[in-house]
Amino acid sequence: DQQVKQNSPSLSVQEGRISILNCDYTNSMFDYFLWYKKYPAEGPTFLISISSIKDKNEDGRFTVFLNKSAKHLSLHIVPSQPGDSAVYFCAASAGRQAGTALIFGKGTTLSVSS
Amino acid sequence: KAGVTQTPRYLIKTRGQQVTLSCSPISGHRSVSWYQQTPGQGLQFLFEYFSETQRNKGNFPGRFSGRQFSNSRSEMNVSTLELGDSALYLCASSLGTSTGELFFGEGSRLTVL
Repeated sequence: DQQVKQNSPSLSVQEGRISILNCDYTNSMFDYFLWYKKYPAEGPTFLISISSIKDKNEDGRFTVFLNKSAKHLSLHIVPSQPGDSAVYFCAASAGRQAGTALIFGKGTTLSVSS
Repeated sequence: KAGVTQTPRYLIKTRGQQVTLSCSPISGHRSVSWYQQTPGQGLQFLFEYFSETQRNKGNFPGRFSGRQFSNSRSEMNVSTLELGDSALYLCASSLGTSTGELFFGEGSRLTVL
């Protein structure tokens, strides 16, 4: 049973437009959420995170929104750039007891065309 | 500062064999986590070692094991390999907190024939 779901396997966006990547979760014990980006032949790299006590976190072109009642989070990239083309993973943490055991979604491949 | 180093990067084994993968974390990081990435299942948590002790374990069979040395370097071992063990094995180093950023290596690509 998937606890973190990224229902869109792929997303295509034009350069300069907004990219919106979505993620749903089922476990109400998750208290911290992260987004990672992965290029081919490289390991995932951390992008941005949000605590469950917040509903928005912003870092430059990247903003993550959290809707706890809907158990939904989204990553907005504005403006999108060709270098943003990668696989994006949503991940969740179930608190201090879970340590570094993140639950990942299966990823969304973002393609930004120029 | 140097990143996370995983060796070997690629390896091919046959069913029934065993394999050992190595991970050198970022200097100062005491936590090393291992993840398995497959096309069908995505990234799945295997286990975490912190200060030489296994602190957490994912839902994998006992054929998957690991250890951590006093210098924080870690190894994972898979015995009696099965075709389904073909995957990218990723090591992540961190300070060990649940809200801490994980720094991933490039992974070890295992193919089981």
